[in-house]
Amino acid sequence: NAGVTQTPKFRVLKTGQSMTLLCAQDMNHEYMYWYRQDPGMGLRLIHYSVGEGTTAKGEVPDGYNVSRLKKQNFLLGLESAAPSQTSVYFCASSYALTGGPDTQYFGPGTRLTVL
Amino acid sequence: AQKVTQAQTEISVVEKEDVTLDCVYETRDTTYYLFWYKQPPSGELVFLIRRNSFDEQNEISGRYSWNFQKSTSSFNFTITASQVVDSAVYFCALSDILGGGGSQGNLIFGKGTKLSVKP
Repeated sequence: NAGVTQTPKFRVLKTGQSMTLLCAQDMNHEYMYWYRQDPGMGLRLIHYSVGEGTTAKGEVPDGYNVSRLKKQNFLLGLESAAPSQTSVYFCASSYALTGGPDTQYFGPGTRLTVL
Repeated sequence: AQKVTQAQTEISVVEKEDVTLDCVYETRDTTYYLFWYKQPPSGELVFLIRRNSFDEQNEISGRYSWNFQKSTSSFNFTITASQVVDSAVYFCALSDILGGGGSQGNLIFGKGTKLSVKP
Protein backbone atom coordinates (compact mmCIF):
# COMPACT_ATOMS: atom_id res chain seq x y z
CA ASN A 1 0.00 0.00 0.00
CA ALA A 2 1.99 2.98 -1.30
CA GLY A 3 -0.57 5.64 -0.32
CA VAL A 4 -0.21 8.76 -2.47
CA THR A 5 2.69 8.89 -4.91
CA GLN A 6 3.86 11.74 -7.13
CA THR A 7 5.96 11.72 -10.29
CA PRO A 8 8.45 13.29 -10.79
CA LYS A 9 10.07 14.34 -7.50
CA PHE A 10 12.08 17.16 -9.07
CA ARG A 11 11.89 19.01 -12.36
CA VAL A 12 13.51 22.05 -13.92
CA LEU A 13 11.72 23.76 -16.80
CA LYS A 14 12.45 26.71 -19.00
CA THR A 15 9.86 29.45 -19.35
CA GLY A 16 7.24 28.43 -21.88
CA GLN A 17 7.80 24.70 -21.62
CA SER A 18 4.98 22.36 -20.69
CA MET A 19 4.85 19.43 -18.35
CA THR A 20 2.48 17.11 -16.52
CA LEU A 21 2.70 16.05 -12.90
CA LEU A 22 1.20 12.70 -12.07
CA CYS A 23 -0.47 11.80 -8.80
CA ALA A 24 -1.55 8.26 -8.01
CA GLN A 25 -3.32 6.85 -4.97
CA ASP A 26 -4.09 3.27 -4.08
CA MET A 27 -6.53 3.91 -1.24
CA ASN A 28 -9.65 4.02 -3.42
CA HIS A 29 -10.26 7.63 -2.41
CA GLU A 30 -12.96 9.54 -4.22
CA TYR A 31 -11.48 12.99 -3.77
CA MET A 32 -8.12 14.23 -5.00
CA TYR A 33 -6.42 17.61 -4.77
CA TRP A 34 -3.46 19.57 -6.04
CA TYR A 35 -1.82 22.19 -3.81
CA ARG A 36 1.17 24.41 -4.18
CA GLN A 37 3.42 25.44 -1.33
CA ASP A 38 5.42 28.64 -1.47
CA PRO A 39 7.71 30.00 1.24
CA GLY A 40 5.75 31.71 3.98
CA MET A 41 2.42 31.02 2.26
CA GLY A 42 1.28 27.67 3.57
CA LEU A 43 -0.46 25.44 1.04
CA ARG A 44 -2.96 26.76 -1.48
CA LEU A 45 -5.42 24.68 -3.44
CA ILE A 46 -5.01 24.72 -7.22
CA HIS A 47 -7.65 22.26 -8.43
CA TYR A 48 -9.54 19.36 -6.99
CA SER A 49 -11.68 16.45 -8.11
CA VAL A 50 -14.64 14.86 -6.35
CA GLY A 51 -14.71 11.85 -8.64
CA GLU A 52 -13.55 10.28 -11.86
CA GLY A 53 -14.19 12.59 -14.78
CA THR A 54 -14.88 15.68 -12.65
CA THR A 55 -12.61 18.57 -11.73
CA ALA A 56 -13.06 21.98 -10.16
CA LYS A 57 -11.01 25.11 -9.54
CA GLY A 58 -9.47 25.92 -6.20
CA GLU A 59 -7.95 29.11 -4.89
CA VAL A 60 -5.12 29.55 -7.44
CA PRO A 61 -6.09 27.73 -10.67
CA ASP A 62 -4.66 30.11 -13.29
CA GLY A 63 -1.99 28.61 -15.51
CA TYR A 64 -2.87 25.02 -14.60
CA ASN A 65 -5.13 22.34 -16.00
CA VAL A 66 -6.09 18.99 -14.52
CA SER A 67 -7.64 15.72 -15.56
CA ARG A 68 -9.08 12.75 -13.68
CA LEU A 69 -9.58 10.05 -16.25
CA LYS A 70 -9.13 7.24 -13.75
CA LYS A 71 -10.18 7.21 -10.13
CA GLN A 72 -6.68 6.53 -8.89
CA ASN A 73 -4.89 9.20 -10.95
CA PHE A 74 -5.00 12.98 -10.94
CA LEU A 75 -2.85 14.86 -13.44
CA LEU A 76 -1.72 18.48 -13.14
CA GLY A 77 -0.62 20.18 -16.35
CA LEU A 78 1.33 23.35 -16.98
CA GLU A 79 0.85 24.37 -20.61
CA SER A 80 3.33 27.25 -20.66
CA ALA A 81 5.42 27.37 -17.52
CA ALA A 82 6.27 30.70 -15.91
CA PRO A 83 8.82 31.53 -13.20
CA SER A 84 5.89 32.32 -10.87
CA GLN A 85 5.03 28.64 -10.98
CA THR A 86 8.26 27.69 -9.25
CA SER A 87 6.97 25.92 -6.17
CA VAL A 88 6.55 22.63 -4.39
CA TYR A 89 3.45 20.82 -5.55
CA PHE A 90 1.56 18.43 -3.32
CA CYS A 91 -1.15 16.02 -4.26
CA ALA A 92 -3.62 14.77 -1.68
CA SER A 93 -6.56 12.39 -1.56
CA SER A 94 -9.39 11.56 0.79
CA TYR A 95 -12.57 9.58 1.16
CA ALA A 96 -15.92 11.26 0.65
CA LEU A 97 -17.94 11.07 3.84
CA THR A 98 -21.55 12.08 4.22
CA GLY A 99 -20.96 13.28 7.77
CA GLY A 100 -18.20 15.74 7.03
CA PRO A 101 -14.76 16.16 5.54
CA ASP A 102 -12.39 13.25 5.85
CA THR A 103 -8.68 13.56 6.38
CA GLN A 104 -6.57 14.39 3.36
CA TYR A 105 -3.43 12.32 2.89
CA PHE A 106 -0.56 13.90 1.04
CA GLY A 107 2.03 12.71 -1.41
CA PRO A 108 5.74 13.46 -0.98
CA GLY A 109 5.70 16.54 -3.19
CA THR A 110 7.25 17.62 -6.49
CA ARG A 111 9.77 20.43 -6.47
CA LEU A 112 9.43 22.41 -9.70
CA THR A 113 11.78 25.18 -10.79
CA VAL A 114 10.96 27.33 -13.81
CA LEU A 115 13.91 29.30 -15.17
CA ALA B 1 -14.43 33.96 4.38
CA GLN B 2 -12.45 31.26 6.11
CA LYS B 3 -9.04 32.08 7.45
CA VAL B 4 -6.41 30.41 9.62
CA THR B 5 -3.82 32.45 11.47
CA GLN B 6 -0.67 31.03 12.97
CA ALA B 7 0.89 34.10 14.47
CA GLN B 8 4.13 32.40 15.51
CA THR B 9 6.36 32.20 12.48
CA GLU B 10 9.25 30.51 14.25
CA ILE B 11 9.77 29.08 17.71
CA SER B 12 12.99 27.79 19.16
CA VAL B 13 13.14 25.72 22.34
CA VAL B 14 15.60 23.51 24.11
CA GLU B 15 14.91 19.81 24.34
CA LYS B 16 12.51 18.78 27.13
CA GLU B 17 10.80 22.14 27.18
CA ASP B 18 7.05 22.27 26.61
CA VAL B 19 5.91 24.33 23.66
CA THR B 20 2.50 25.51 22.47
CA LEU B 21 1.73 26.35 18.87
CA ASP B 22 -1.17 28.74 18.43
CA CYS B 23 -3.89 28.53 15.81
CA VAL B 24 -6.79 30.96 15.44
CA TYR B 25 -9.42 30.45 12.78
CA GLU B 26 -12.30 32.35 11.24
CA THR B 27 -15.36 30.78 9.67
CA ARG B 28 -19.06 31.48 9.36
CA ASP B 29 -19.89 27.80 9.11
CA THR B 30 -21.44 26.13 12.13
CA THR B 31 -20.00 22.80 11.05
CA TYR B 32 -16.33 22.68 10.26
CA TYR B 33 -13.24 20.60 10.86
CA LEU B 34 -9.81 21.54 12.09
CA PHE B 35 -6.58 19.74 11.40
CA TRP B 36 -2.91 19.81 12.32
CA TYR B 37 -0.22 18.58 9.97
CA LYS B 38 3.51 18.23 10.54
CA GLN B 39 6.09 18.88 7.83
CA PRO B 40 9.52 17.61 8.89
CA PRO B 41 12.69 18.73 7.08
CA SER B 42 12.25 15.84 4.64
CA GLY B 43 9.24 17.71 3.24
CA GLU B 44 6.31 15.34 3.46
CA LEU B 45 3.09 16.35 5.20
CA VAL B 46 2.09 14.13 8.08
CA PHE B 47 -1.45 14.16 9.44
CA LEU B 48 -1.63 14.64 13.21
CA ILE B 49 -5.23 15.27 14.19
CA ARG B 50 -8.73 16.03 12.90
CA ARG B 51 -11.35 17.64 15.14
CA ASN B 52 -14.94 18.59 14.34
CA SER B 53 -16.62 21.74 15.57
CA PHE B 54 -19.02 19.87 17.83
CA ASP B 55 -16.32 18.20 19.87
CA GLU B 56 -14.62 20.63 22.23
CA GLN B 57 -12.96 18.01 24.39
CA ASN B 58 -9.23 18.31 24.61
CA GLU B 59 -7.26 15.48 23.14
CA ILE B 60 -4.00 13.92 24.22
CA SER B 61 -1.84 11.57 22.23
CA GLY B 62 1.42 10.75 23.92
CA ARG B 63 3.40 13.98 24.22
CA TYR B 64 0.95 15.82 21.98
CA SER B 65 -2.19 17.55 23.17
CA TRP B 66 -4.71 19.82 21.56
CA ASN B 67 -6.89 22.49 23.11
CA PHE B 68 -9.97 23.43 21.10
CA GLN B 69 -11.87 26.50 22.33
CA LYS B 70 -14.79 27.53 20.20
CA SER B 71 -15.35 30.68 22.26
CA THR B 72 -11.99 32.07 21.16
CA SER B 73 -11.87 30.26 17.78
CA SER B 74 -8.60 28.64 18.71
CA PHE B 75 -7.16 25.18 18.25
CA ASN B 76 -3.78 25.17 19.96
CA PHE B 77 -1.25 22.37 19.90
CA THR B 78 1.10 21.58 22.78
CA ILE B 79 4.14 19.36 22.70
CA THR B 80 5.26 18.23 26.14
CA ALA B 81 8.91 17.47 26.79
CA SER B 82 9.93 18.38 23.26
CA GLN B 83 12.50 16.33 21.40
CA VAL B 84 14.83 17.12 18.52
CA VAL B 85 12.68 14.93 16.26
CA ASP B 86 9.81 17.35 16.82
CA SER B 87 11.66 19.95 14.76
CA ALA B 88 9.39 20.67 11.82
CA VAL B 89 6.94 23.12 10.36
CA TYR B 90 3.48 22.64 11.81
CA PHE B 91 0.39 23.64 9.90
CA CYS B 92 -3.08 24.23 11.23
CA ALA B 93 -5.88 23.89 8.68
CA LEU B 94 -9.61 24.47 8.49
CA SER B 95 -11.96 22.57 6.23
CA ASP B 96 -14.92 24.26 4.69
CA ILE B 97 -17.78 22.28 3.25
CA LEU B 98 -18.32 21.78 -0.46
CA GLY B 99 -21.95 22.46 -1.20
CA GLY B 100 -24.37 20.59 1.00
CA GLY B 101 -24.39 17.12 2.44
CA GLY B 102 -21.13 17.42 4.34
CA SER B 103 -18.89 16.45 1.45
CA GLN B 104 -15.19 17.08 1.52
CA GLY B 105 -14.24 20.70 1.28
CA ASN B 106 -11.22 22.80 0.65
CA LEU B 107 -8.46 22.80 3.29
CA ILE B 108 -7.47 26.33 4.25
CA PHE B 109 -3.99 26.29 5.70
CA GLY B 110 -2.28 28.68 8.02
CA LYS B 111 1.18 29.80 7.03
CA GLY B 112 2.80 27.40 9.44
CA THR B 113 5.00 27.64 12.52
CA LYS B 114 8.57 26.46 12.26
CA LEU B 115 9.60 24.71 15.44
CA SER B 116 13.27 24.16 16.17
CA VAL B 117 14.15 21.95 19.12
CA LYS B 118 17.78 22.20 20.11
CA PRO B 119 19.58 19.50 22.08
